[in-house]
Amino acid sequence: DQQVKQNSPSLSVQEGRISILNCDYTNSMFDYFLWYKKYPAEGPTFLISISSIKDKNEDGRFTVFLNKSAKHLSLHIVPSQPGDSAVYFCAASAREYGNKLVFGAGTILRVKS
Amino acid sequence: KAGVTQTPRYLIKTRGQQVTLSCSPISGHRSVSWYQQTPGQGLQFLFEYFSETQRNKGNFPGRFSGRQFSNSRSEMNVSTLELGDSALYLCASSLGLSGMVEQYFGPGTRLTVT
Repeated sequence: DQQVKQNSPSLSVQEGRISILNCDYTNSMFDYFLWYKKYPAEGPTFLISISSIKDKNEDGRFTVFLNKSAKHLSLHIVPSQPGDSAVYFCAASAREYGNKLVFGAGTILRVKS
Repeated sequence: KAGVTQTPRYLIKTRGQQVTLSCSPISGHRSVSWYQQTPGQGLQFLFEYFSETQRNKGNFPGRFSGRQFSNSRSEMNVSTLELGDSALYLCASSLGLSGMVEQYFGPGTRLTVT
């Protein structure tokens, strides 16, 4: 039962353009969402998060949008840089589950220079 | 502030053996969670500890266990290792237990079972 889905296994973007990574969830109890960036054989690096009471959160080049009615969130990276090339994971949590994170399968982002 | 540290970074064990992995959270963080990452299953939650108590457990067999010490350091143990236990084991720490906090991951321990 995949409660968090990242339907695009990979995405290729030109340097300087916008990268948009998408994530869908099915569990209505999720009320906190996080994006992580991961390189092979390393731990995930926290990028940005959003609470379900908001619909947008911005931090530098990273913006996360949340559409609760559609159970959909997206991560925008503007402008994209070659160093952004990595696997991006969407994760969700619910207060009832403590700090348990449910992860999507990840999207491989390649930024071409 | 130092990040989450995990030891050892790499480990090779034989089927049937047991293994203990260690995690030191960020200073001041009292919650430690453990995750298993495999190519087939992705990142899966194992368990979470807060103030030396297991607060949450994922869907893993009883061979997987853990504990947390008074200084918030945590260990996880896998007994009677199986080939399928080969994975990257990650721990994450956070300040609170609300489920609405940022969690920071360590570099992981790569376990290979032969």
